[in-house]
Amino acid sequence: EVQLVESGGGLVQPGRSLRLSCAASGFTFDDSAMHWVRQAPGKGLEWVSCISYNSGSIGYADSVKGRFTISRDNAKNSLYLRMNSLRPEDTAVYYCAKDREGDPWYGMDVWGQGTTVTVSS
Amino acid sequence: DIQMTQSPSSLSASVGDRVAISCRASRSISNYLNWYQQKPGKAPNLLIYAASTLQSGVPSRFGGSGSGTDFTLTISSLQPEDSATYYCQQSYTTPLTFGGGTKVEIK
Repeated sequence: EVQLVESGGGLVQPGRSLRLSCAASGFTFDDSAMHWVRQAPGKGLEWVSCISYNSGSIGYADSVKGRFTISRDNAKNSLYLRMNSLRPEDTAVYYCAKDREGDPWYGMDVWGQGTTVTVSS
Repeated sequence: DIQMTQSPSSLSASVGDRVAISCRASRSISNYLNWYQQKPGKAPNLLIYAASTLQSGVPSRFGGSGSGTDFTLTISSLQPEDSATYYCQQSYTTPLTFGGGTKVEIK
């Protein structure tokens, strides 16, 4: 079964850091680009970041550039999102998603269940 | 950044109706346009990629069309299980961007 499982969410104070993880199984992880997408409570989807199959191509939303860092470990079938200098507006459900191809231009065909990040004092 | 504008923001239709949702990009994105369905409390689900290609396992009543800046998602015969929010997304260039969503309700 193709599966993505996120972890690492929680309640964190403004200005602090958090690292999200996404464990992949059931497909060839190092053939696929990966994405992080978030959804604030009651709001729409917001793309956060992507990384190509070999980490050669990385992109970020303007709202997180310079604060968030995406990475992957193909040996561990895992995707990560390091989030620094967190703000209340970063509060959201964070989804890990797999791209259909090795570069991040082809649509996200598998999604995790999401992990909730709440930034509040 | 490329802005994606969906219309309408919500609609209500009867079972069996034909429904169309529009998505407009602020500049040409060729056919790098994807459609997702999201039900409350669930992760999104890919319906259509490359503007018009049906994702495996998606019912054939869903269809996509368009290229350049104007795109349409069509549901040919609305079913009760189609009640959801639908999002378009451009994958032409980073930052990738989603439309604001269209909530579809069943009368």
